[in-house]
Amino acid sequence: QVQLVQSGAEVKKPGASVKVSCKTSGYIFTSYVMHWVRQAPGQRLEWMGWINAGNGNTKYSQKFQGRVTITRDTSASTVYMELSSLRSEDTAVYYCARAVGAPDSWGQGTQVTVSS
Amino acid sequence: DIVMTQSPDSLAVSLGERATINCKSSQSVLYISNNQNYLAWYQQKPGQPPKLLIYWASTRESGVPDRFSGSGSGTDFTLTISSLQAEDVAVYYCQQFYDGLTFGQGTKVEIK
Repeated sequence: QVQLVQSGAEVKKPGASVKVSCKTSGYIFTSYVMHWVRQAPGQRLEWMGWINAGNGNTKYSQKFQGRVTITRDTSASTVYMELSSLRSEDTAVYYCARAVGAPDSWGQGTQVTVSS
Repeated sequence: DIVMTQSPDSLAVSLGERATINCKSSQSVLYISNNQNYLAWYQQKPGQPPKLLIYWASTRESGVPDRFSGSGSGTDFTLTISSLQAEDVAVYYCQQFYDGLTFGQGTKVEIK
């Protein structure tokens, strides 16, 4: 069955970077796009960007442009999301979600806490 | 960015009764070339990721009970739960996937 397993919770200081992984199994990795979406406490779900796992093309939300980098390792069927220059407002649960059209399978979420 | 606005923010419905959630997009999400609305609905329970219920505005995802249905086109959409069950208590989100992804603010559904 399709599985998206994300890396564990992170605690970071302001100004640092965080890299979250999303290891996939159960489907053809290169046939899908992978989105990254975050959910801060009490806030709506917020899209950060996607990567075409086949050709590596990326598209980022303007809000995160310059701060987020999404990459993939096809040999490991894994996608990564790195967010830099962290601030307290980046405290959130971060999700990966695979898609052809609407995202249909999601990772379990990774809590990232930014605190001095 | 396409802005998604849901109404109401919350609603309480008796078991077995109908629940209706509305979603409006700031611009059309109907893609003319394939005549598909790039609109999806999700259910999210506490501590869980969102679960896809409906895509292309009205196509039910495999395994989703048929009491869930979606309708609408262009900029106005509706999610209907025809007969609310206890396990349907959750927050529901509409999402456009026409240009990136944007989500509504969520509608919390509770039992009256």
